[in-house]
Amino acid sequence: DVKVTQSSRYLVKRTGEKVFLECVQDMDHENMFWYRQDPGLGLRLIYFSYDVKMKEKGDIPEGYSVSREKKERFSLILESASTNQTSMYLCASSLPTGSVYEQYFGPGTRLTVT
Amino acid sequence: LAKTTQPISMDSYEGQEVNITCSHNNIATNDYITWYQQFPSQGPRFIIQGYKTKVTNEVASLFIPADRKSSTLSLPRVSLSDTAVYYCLVSPGAGSYQLTFGKGTKLSVIP
Repeated sequence: DVKVTQSSRYLVKRTGEKVFLECVQDMDHENMFWYRQDPGLGLRLIYFSYDVKMKEKGDIPEGYSVSREKKERFSLILESASTNQTSMYLCASSLPTGSVYEQYFGPGTRLTVT
Repeated sequence: LAKTTQPISMDSYEGQEVNITCSHNNIATNDYITWYQQFPSQGPRFIIQGYKTKVTNEVASLFIPADRKSSTLSLPRVSLSDTAVYYCLVSPGAGSYQLTFGKGTKLSVIP
């Protein structure tokens, strides 16, 4: 079974703090994704990566950056957290071709910025 | 990206077959249709994917008519554990990485 793990289930940070959300997958997948999920807005793609050190912006990259130094690990960074970044953050991974729509999601990190 | 429309919510009794229909009138030739399931406090889980006609797996069936402007997810004999939000996605063909999730259909299974 594919396993996608995220470093924390719940996180509380203060406005202006730098926040790191870590995601690790164990299936050697090339693609990794970060989404945020908000009530009434569904899931929105923040960034994705199709290879080590490669990244592409999704629909809402503002205020976020990412890092992928190793194939199995994809980090989401909030450079200066703000209250409007309070959300559920979901990481996912997938194979590069053919099954790109079959993404495997982690359990999510519920981030609260106060 | 093609826009999808699906009911906001549905109720069903245990043991019934549930059909959730998704409308995607401007689907493009290369687009695929994918369904995900999400339980509270969990990430979405892939259920099924198709391009045309019918696809079946151990969890569900997906019916896609010839014009591909809609699709129907069929869940046989639902149980309480099928209570979840179900998302219909239409995504471009090979070469695109993007999944666009709408608001989904909240299915409530009643004992």
